[in-house]
Amino acid sequence: AQTVTQSQPEMSVQEAETVTLSCTYDTSESDYYLFWYKQPPSRQMILVIRQEAYKQQNATENRFSVNFQKAAKSFSLKISDSQLGDAAMYFCAYRSGGNSGYALNFGKGTSLLVTP
Amino acid sequence: SAVISQKPSRDICQRGTSLTIQCQVDSQVTMMFWYRQQPGQSLTLIATANQGSEATYESGFVIDKFPISRPNLTFSTLTVSNMSPEDSSIYLCSAQRFANTGELFFGEGSRLTVL
Repeated sequence: AQTVTQSQPEMSVQEAETVTLSCTYDTSESDYYLFWYKQPPSRQMILVIRQEAYKQQNATENRFSVNFQKAAKSFSLKISDSQLGDAAMYFCAYRSGGNSGYALNFGKGTSLLVTP
Repeated sequence: SAVISQKPSRDICQRGTSLTIQCQVDSQVTMMFWYRQQPGQSLTLIATANQGSEATYESGFVIDKFPISRPNLTFSTLTVSNMSPEDSSIYLCSAQRFANTGELFFGEGSRLTVL
């Protein structure tokens, strides 16, 4: 089974600053998806950003961008201009590729604190 | 994105009882998944629920303890049977609308506390 590792249990960033959350994964597959999800205290899991493994270009969504290093099996999330509303648990997740109904495999999460 | 409603949002249950969690999606979806999130932990997949067939359970989860129904393409239930305090967790329903994007949409979760 593919494993997803988030080595930072907690991170802290000042408002308006930039923070990078780390994620590595282990797989022998060539076709897969990677995701970052955000879980605020309300418990709702919210998709932040998605990356298809076949795409070399790093995904971006407004203030959120990823650094996808396929050979190194690394998938970090950069949050620019951090806002108080970014405070949450962030989970990195892996999904096998193809059109089958594969579930997501999650890392242990990183708790992000945003200070004024 | 799909909107997923879960009921109940939270409940306090007595040891030995069973509780059924309902998950309603606002549109037809191919795959639904049930996850468990123990306090302060990550999400662990319980089972995959396909419409019209038996659910597929992950290692460590069995049908007798977590029976699942999937009667149509917008609805699923998860029952937590014969509960013990170790079953105190958040149970999350999720759905995949498009297989080629891979992403899952999640309900807000059901927080169960077993006394």
